[in-house]
Amino acid sequence: GEDVEQSLFLSVREGDSSVINCTYTDSSSTYLYWYKQEPGAGLQLLTYIFSNMDMKQDQRLTVLLNKKDKHLSLRIADTQTGDSAIYFCAEIIAGNMLTFGGGTRLMVKP
Amino acid sequence: DAGVIQSPRHEVTEMGQEVTLRCKPISGHNSLFWYRQTMMRGLELLIYFNNNVPIDDSGMPEDRFSAKMPNASFSTLKIQPSEPRDSAVYFCASSLRRGSYNEQFFGPGTRLTVL
Repeated sequence: GEDVEQSLFLSVREGDSSVINCTYTDSSSTYLYWYKQEPGAGLQLLTYIFSNMDMKQDQRLTVLLNKKDKHLSLRIADTQTGDSAIYFCAEIIAGNMLTFGGGTRLMVKP
Repeated sequence: DAGVIQSPRHEVTEMGQEVTLRCKPISGHNSLFWYRQTMMRGLELLIYFNNNVPIDDSGMPEDRFSAKMPNASFSTLKIQPSEPRDSAVYFCASSLRRGSYNEQFFGPGTRLTVL
């Protein structure tokens, strides 16, 4: 995950919005992904965005893509304690392979 | 579908022993990936298979690691001999590639502890 960068940690209060940021490297990536990992579990796809889009909204989730700056963000509205997890952004590199960022640990305080 | 199945879920072994991790991908998926996750290095891709053929094994740490996929429904990752630094959570993931869209489905992982 060295080519995809994320901040390590984010702490928010329940009910606030969370914004998790990511910078990626390959401007030709067609899809960019956000995965969520809950404690003791594998990664699960949360949402994705196609590279010709600037924004995608899915209920409480908003993904913003700035292709010029290779910057991807995930906003979670009305963050709940159940949103506490590690969030990974990922881009497709050669073939089928995904490159994952190092993950951002989101802690939601009640 | 049961999702990606991995076994065992936990493995504790002594240094020098052989360890075999197993994975059953989702039926119909044509790509399979082995990852390793540690606090120090995060999530690392070890190897991936497409249609049972290893495509990229550049992430395999060293010759002690080997992976096989004898058929579309089964893969193994073997470590022989194991060392304490191999302690990690090992994930298997599978996907069915549609054009450039590639959602990988992860198994629950095998937590390996080498004493």
